[in-house]
Amino acid sequence: AQSVTQLDSQVPVFEEAPVELRCNYSSSVSVYLFWYVQYPNQGLQLLLKYLSGSTLVKGINGFEAEFNKSQTSFHLRKPSVHISDTAEYFCASLDTGRRALTFGSGTRLQVQP
Amino acid sequence: DGGITQSPKYLFRKEGQNVTLSCEQNLNHDAMYWYRQDPGQGLRLIYYSQIVNDFQKGDIAEGYSVSREKKESFPLTVTSAQKNPTAFYLCASSMETGRAFFGQGTRLTVV
Repeated sequence: AQSVTQLDSQVPVFEEAPVELRCNYSSSVSVYLFWYVQYPNQGLQLLLKYLSGSTLVKGINGFEAEFNKSQTSFHLRKPSVHISDTAEYFCASLDTGRRALTFGSGTRLQVQP
Repeated sequence: DGGITQSPKYLFRKEGQNVTLSCEQNLNHDAMYWYRQDPGQGLRLIYYSQIVNDFQKGDIAEGYSVSREKKESFPLTVTSAQKNPTAFYLCASSMETGRAFFGQGTRLTVV
């Protein structure tokens, strides 16, 4: 069974500082990985996805992620965060059998002035 | 505007009552999903449907039921058998590989 682990439940960071949100996956089959963002009391919005090809994936709002097969990781990064980036971030993998997403437990990013 | 509409936004259920959460999409997507979100647990899959008139149980289907009579609609019923229904419920739809679109969610509270 596929699983996704987000190593940090909360990440506090100061505005304009860089940030990395960690995600590790386990899968013995083809890997399709995603990062979603959720603002309070709202649905999820896709930030970026890795299906194949280049291991460095660029997404919206200045975020990027790197697929690392040897470390089974897909960490999300942003070189300089803004107050508006405060939200919950979810890493997910696609269960190709069910064609449904499996989510990590989420990381709350708190950007402080 | 194309998208997914969930209603109501807030729902209160009495003990022993069944309630139905609505999910409608006008994106012409084949696949639809229901997830439950609890603090610190991420999203867990309740039911999913890849095509009209067909659906499968997800990881936490007990106490829930669904129907998929129309491509656009995938309502979720929370039955009295669900002992801890208070949660945030999210509906999603998808056409291409993994690119899921989410509704704004329904917050269900047992009173």
